[in-house]
Amino acid sequence: EIVMTQSPATLSVSPGERATLSCRASQSVSSNLAWYQQKPGQPPRLLIYGASTRATGIPPRFSGSGSGTEFTLTISSLQSEDFAVYYCQQYNTWPGETFGQGTKVEIK
Amino acid sequence: QLQLQESGPGLVKPSETLSLTCTVSGGSISSSSSYWGWIRQPPGKGLEWIGSISYSWSTYYNPSLKSRLTISVDTSKNQFSLKLSSVTAADTAVYYCARHYADFWSDPKWFEPWGQGTLVTVSS
Repeated sequence: EIVMTQSPATLSVSPGERATLSCRASQSVSSNLAWYQQKPGQPPRLLIYGASTRATGIPPRFSGSGSGTEFTLTISSLQSEDFAVYYCQQYNTWPGETFGQGTKVEIK
Repeated sequence: QLQLQESGPGLVKPSETLSLTCTVSGGSISSSSSYWGWIRQPPGKGLEWIGSISYSWSTYYNPSLKSRLTISVDTSKNQFSLKLSSVTAADTAVYYCARHYADFWSDPKWFEPWGQGTLVTVSS
């Protein structure tokens, strides 16, 4: 099983600042990585797939990068609606997709 | 617009079988290249892929749950279902259904869209 490790567990950021979230895979997943945003009481929402392609309707302040084992989700200027938990998911190994444990982005 | 909605009992007794149904609207569950999946999230914890069913009705299960798990489809109702047997408190979670997106003839990839989720508590 490919283990996905996200860091940090919690990120405290002020509105308008930049947030950088990391996701590391225990072995290469090429660019087969997605990012999701989850707010309390809601299902996850797809943000990024293919490591760097924004899903439909996702604002350009969200960007993804990386390949292999190291990935980054960047939120260029945090808005109030961006405070949430973010998960990465690898889909390089099928069947057997796995998620990271999540990074909570909270208001500083 | 494709929408999914989970339904089923919110409380299941230990050792019994958890049964949930996902109703798909805004599109056909029989669409070629479509996969349909189940994901769960224990309270306050992360996401775990449970299993998926393909457009040809092949099933794929998380190895950690495989011995207890059955996923099936009812095309006449545009629904797919989950049955998890011999449940324990560790199976308490919010259960989500989602389209497990695949390009034509490719393996499935990401999950989108998701249902709202349903909390299932295992308790006597």
